[in-house]
Amino acid sequence: GQNIDQPTEMTATEGAIVQINCTYQTSGFNGLFWYQQHAGEAPTFLSYNVLDGLEEKGRFSSFLSRSKGYSYLLLKELQMKDSASYLCAVRWSNTGFQKLVFGTGTRLLVSP
Amino acid sequence: EPEVTQTPSHQVTQMGQEVILRCVPISNHLYFYWYRQILGQKVEFLVSFYNNEISEKSEIFDDQFSVERPDGSNFTLKIRSTKLEDSAMYFCASSIGTEAFFGQGTRLTVV
Repeated sequence: GQNIDQPTEMTATEGAIVQINCTYQTSGFNGLFWYQQHAGEAPTFLSYNVLDGLEEKGRFSSFLSRSKGYSYLLLKELQMKDSASYLCAVRWSNTGFQKLVFGTGTRLLVSP
Repeated sequence: EPEVTQTPSHQVTQMGQEVILRCVPISNHLYFYWYRQILGQKVEFLVSFYNNEISEKSEIFDDQFSVERPDGSNFTLKIRSTKLEDSAMYFCASSIGTEAFFGQGTRLTVV
């Protein structure tokens, strides 16, 4: 299977921290990506995890636990411009090394 | 900063017509992809292309679809006979092997 689960929508206030979770099927796992997508625009790459642990990149961090089939994207010091959909995408070696399967995305609304 | 460019940004076509969507990937990238996103739905993989041939394709990518890299820079997606359900945003992407970088998309409307 190629199931990816993430919450449909989240809300947070400016300056806060938000964590967006993603779970996926573990068999054949070959990498997990987080993308940001503003309405009507292209997905923009945020982070890549293939080994367990935390990857930090400025205000954004991404965590992976391969044994649990779990990742999260952590956004700190939220800004209004962070209002967007956040897409979790996974590669599985048993469905194609280059094929990215996207989750439905989590729409994040940041309020003042 | 290098980017993937797509043309046209919008295309309206009649059902049954052929359309060609064009993409110029980032110049030193080796892998090229087409994805689509129906309005309000998730991004879906169509096809990947490497070393001048299709490396993977999804069940969506049937005989009505084809891809080509006619020269050293362009990468095209052709839909032979469009259907209403082909209406979507089509994204081209390229990579050197890990993360894929997406173009701004072509919004295809089939009427």
